[in-house]
Amino acid sequence: QVQLVQSGTEVKKPGASVNVSCKASGYTFTNYYMVWVRQAPGQGLEWMGIINPIGGRTTYAQKFQGRVTMTRDTSTSTVYMELSSLRSDDTAVYYCGRTVGYSYGYGMDVWGQGTTVTVSS
Amino acid sequence: EIVLTQSPGTLSLSPGERATLSCRASQSVSSIYFTWYQQKPGQAPRLLIYGASSRPTGIPDRFSGSGSGTDFTLTISRLEPEDFAVYYCQQYGQQYGSSLTFGGGTRVEIK
Repeated sequence: QVQLVQSGTEVKKPGASVNVSCKASGYTFTNYYMVWVRQAPGQGLEWMGIINPIGGRTTYAQKFQGRVTMTRDTSTSTVYMELSSLRSDDTAVYYCGRTVGYSYGYGMDVWGQGTTVTVSS
Repeated sequence: EIVLTQSPGTLSLSPGERATLSCRASQSVSSIYFTWYQQKPGQAPRLLIYGASSRPTGIPDRFSGSGSGTDFTLTISRLEPEDFAVYYCQQYGQQYGSSLTFGGGTRVEIK
């Protein structure tokens, strides 16, 4: 079945970096974009960026420009999201989501289970 | 940047009642790139509506979406117990470079 499986819970200190992975299975990896979204405790959803699995081209939300890097490995059907210079307000659940078709615009129909990242000294 | 404002923040209704959720954009957006999600506690979001009014396979027909320009609506015709959740609108636009934006969410709670 189609699924996205994310890496496990992370606890980081301020200033560190975190790398979250999202492994896709059950579909052709290169036929869909992948989006990263985060959700701080008790808050709403926040878009971080999107990666094209063909060629690895990325578009990042302005808020995260310079701090986020999204990459992909087509040999393992995995995308990665690295967030650097972590602050306490980066504490959140991070989700990957597969786009509906090969398009930015029609939403995300398959989601990972979420990865909790806690930033604390 | 386009801002999506959802209202009300919380909707208190009983099972069987009709729910009407609103999402207003700070400027006109393309309806083909307008989406609604449902999220329950501890779960990832679930795609409910895309293209403002289309339902993915498996989404019950009690969920419907409408709207264009700056005003969009999600309607749940008769609330089932499993529909009590938080609902988010989202749009994709290219006005300021490609970007996705979420609304702040509407919580539908049991009255």
